[in-house]
Amino acid sequence: AQTVTQSQPEMSVQEAETVTLSCTYDTSESNYYLFWYKQPPSRQMILVIRQEAYKQQNATENRFSVNFQKAAKSFSLKISDSQLGDTAMYFCAFMKLSGAGSYQLTFGKGTKLSVIP
Amino acid sequence: NAGVTQTPKFQVLKTGQSMTLQCAQDMNHNSMYWYRQDPGMGLRLIYYSASEGTTDKGEVPNGYNVSRLNKREFSLRLESAAPSQTSVYFCASSETGLESETQYFGPGTRLLVL
Repeated sequence: AQTVTQSQPEMSVQEAETVTLSCTYDTSESNYYLFWYKQPPSRQMILVIRQEAYKQQNATENRFSVNFQKAAKSFSLKISDSQLGDTAMYFCAFMKLSGAGSYQLTFGKGTKLSVIP
Repeated sequence: NAGVTQTPKFQVLKTGQSMTLQCAQDMNHNSMYWYRQDPGMGLRLIYYSASEGTTDKGEVPNGYNVSRLNKREFSLRLESAAPSQTSVYFCASSETGLESETQYFGPGTRLLVL
C-alpha cells in the first residue's frame, strides 16, 4: 500500500514571499502520478498541479512549481509571490496507474498554510 | 458546465436513520469516486466506479453502499447511520484511460449523525 506523508501540519508566510510545502511518499510502483490539491475555507478541493512520474522535468503552473525527486520519493510544492488567496489546506496525493487500486488517490493529512498580510 | 454537483450540502441525521447522498457530473467522465474527510485527515476513498455498471470498494467501505445509476450519476447510501459516519463527503470524477487522470471534486456534503 502507498503512504503519503506531509510533515508540516501548519505553516505561515508573509504576503509576496515564497514558501515550500513538503511531501514524501512510499511506493514500490514505477509508474504513477502525484498531485497537489488546495482546499480553501469553502472546502472545495481544487487541483493546483500534477506531476507524471515518468517526466523528469518539474511541473509548473504560474506561481506554483514542484521539486520532484523520484529517487528520494519527495514531491515538494513551492509557492512564489504568495497571495492572501493562497491561504488554505494543501494536500499531497499519490495515484498508481496499474494493478489493484489503480487510479485511486491516496492523500496526505495536509498542511495548513496561512498567508499573512 | 457545472462540473461535479452534490446534494444536499448539509444534513443532520439521527443514529439509525438512512439517507442517500447524490452526485452528478456533466463532463462525460467514465470514473466516479466517493471520499470522506475527517478532521485532521486527508480524504479517504469509500467506493469508486471505473465505468457505468461497475463499482468497487475503496479504503473505508463499511457502512456504505453505492449505485452508479448512469454515466452521470453516482450515489452513496448510508443504510443505518452511526456517529462515526459524521464527516464531510466528497464526490469526484475523472476521465480514466487518458493521459490526464486528474480527479475533479464536488463541493462536498457535510453530514452530522447524532
